[in-house]
Amino acid sequence: DAEITQSPRHKITETGRQVTLACHQTWNHNNMFWYRQDLGHGLRLIHYSYGVQDTNKGEVSDGYSVSRSNTEDLPLTLESAASSQTSVYFCASSESVEGPWTEAFFGQGTRLTVV
Amino acid sequence: GDSVTQMEGPVTLSEEAFLTINCTYTATGYPSLFWYVQYPGEGLQLLLKATKADDKGSNKGFEATYRKETTSFHLEKGSVQVSDSAVYFCAPHLGGGGNKLTFGTGTQLKVEL
Repeated sequence: DAEITQSPRHKITETGRQVTLACHQTWNHNNMFWYRQDLGHGLRLIHYSYGVQDTNKGEVSDGYSVSRSNTEDLPLTLESAASSQTSVYFCASSESVEGPWTEAFFGQGTRLTVV
Repeated sequence: GDSVTQMEGPVTLSEEAFLTINCTYTATGYPSLFWYVQYPGEGLQLLLKATKADDKGSNKGFEATYRKETTSFHLEKGSVQVSDSAVYFCAPHLGGGGNKLTFGTGTQLKVEL
């Protein structure tokens, strides 16, 4: 069965370190998204991609970067981790189709703690 | 840009009570409308959807009707169970590759015995 997986599931890192969160999907979807979820804020979009070599900034992109070198993966990098980036991170993917939109598929999430 | 407004939570109900979670949206064009559910410790998953005006989406006893005139997509269930305790997200999605897949703050539902 196709799936979308995130790794690691839990991560503790120190302030100032570079951290990369992995997202891998086997749906062959063109669209991939990264969100962070914080109490009182719901899901906020960090970065998104509509295909290989395409990346776009979301509403909370400062301090984060992504790259899309193939269809399956969209790693999220925190350039210099800050305590404000302690959060739960979700990756999602969806088809790129005209007409009625198809559903998005989410990973299980990565809980990141910056100390 | 697209946006969605949901009723604030947490919503606490007794088992077998009637549930309504309000959702209104703004969007350019005519979006498809979705409800997603997030159970504790998990990612979001699709609950139901409607792709055009007056369509009713339904799943697991939940229903929502696409109301184009009021730009609303309220979620209802006639008799909630403890297992329905989760966070519910309403989301308008436009077709094609240009949608940023935005969500609101979500509404937490707690169902007690």
